[in-house]
Amino acid sequence: AQSVSQHNHHVILSEAASLELGCNYSYGGTVNLFWYVQYPGQHLQLLLKYFSGDPLVKGIKGFEAEFIKSKFSFNLRKPSVQWSDTAEYFCAVMGNTGKLIFGQGTTLQVKP
Amino acid sequence: SQTIHQWPATLVQPVGSPLSLECTVEGTSNPNLYWYRQAAGRGLQLLFYSVGIGQISSEVPQNLSASRPQDRQFILSSKKLLLSDSGFYLCAWSVQGSSYNEQFFGPGTRLTVL
Repeated sequence: AQSVSQHNHHVILSEAASLELGCNYSYGGTVNLFWYVQYPGQHLQLLLKYFSGDPLVKGIKGFEAEFIKSKFSFNLRKPSVQWSDTAEYFCAVMGNTGKLIFGQGTTLQVKP
Repeated sequence: SQTIHQWPATLVQPVGSPLSLECTVEGTSNPNLYWYRQAAGRGLQLLFYSVGIGQISSEVPQNLSASRPQDRQFILSSKKLLLSDSGFYLCAWSVQGSSYNEQFFGPGTRLTVL
């Protein structure tokens, strides 16, 4: 069965610090990978996605993620976080069933 | 442009009472529709999905049911709520037949069962 594991449940950073949120998945076939973000009081929205091609994917607001197939990982990164990046971040995987499997989420708190 | 609505935004219900949460999508036709639940400290769990009117697939056995009476309307129901039904319920849609399968989420309903 497909599963997604996010290693960090709660991350606290100061502004300008670098961010890396871990995501590992369990699935043997071809996958589509996503990072979603939910800012306080807002809808869950897509941050970035990987379907094929360049394993380094760039998303909105300076975020990027790298798909490492051999490690079954899709970690999210940002070189310098801002207070406005405070949000909950979800990694998700879609295999050939077409169903989206989410990780448990990581709450990021950025201190000004 | 497409929009997705959910109501109510928050709901407090006693154990044993019925439930009806509604989701509607505008600006698209024949979407795939999904219901997710997020319990405290846990990720989003897919509850139901639908590829068309009257077509519902259930992902996990539970106290809830779903219906799709119209193309862009998706309803989550229960006859008798349990404490364990508390959580944050999200509706989502995606384009049928799209190879990208991106899902678009509604604002959610926070349900507290007391």
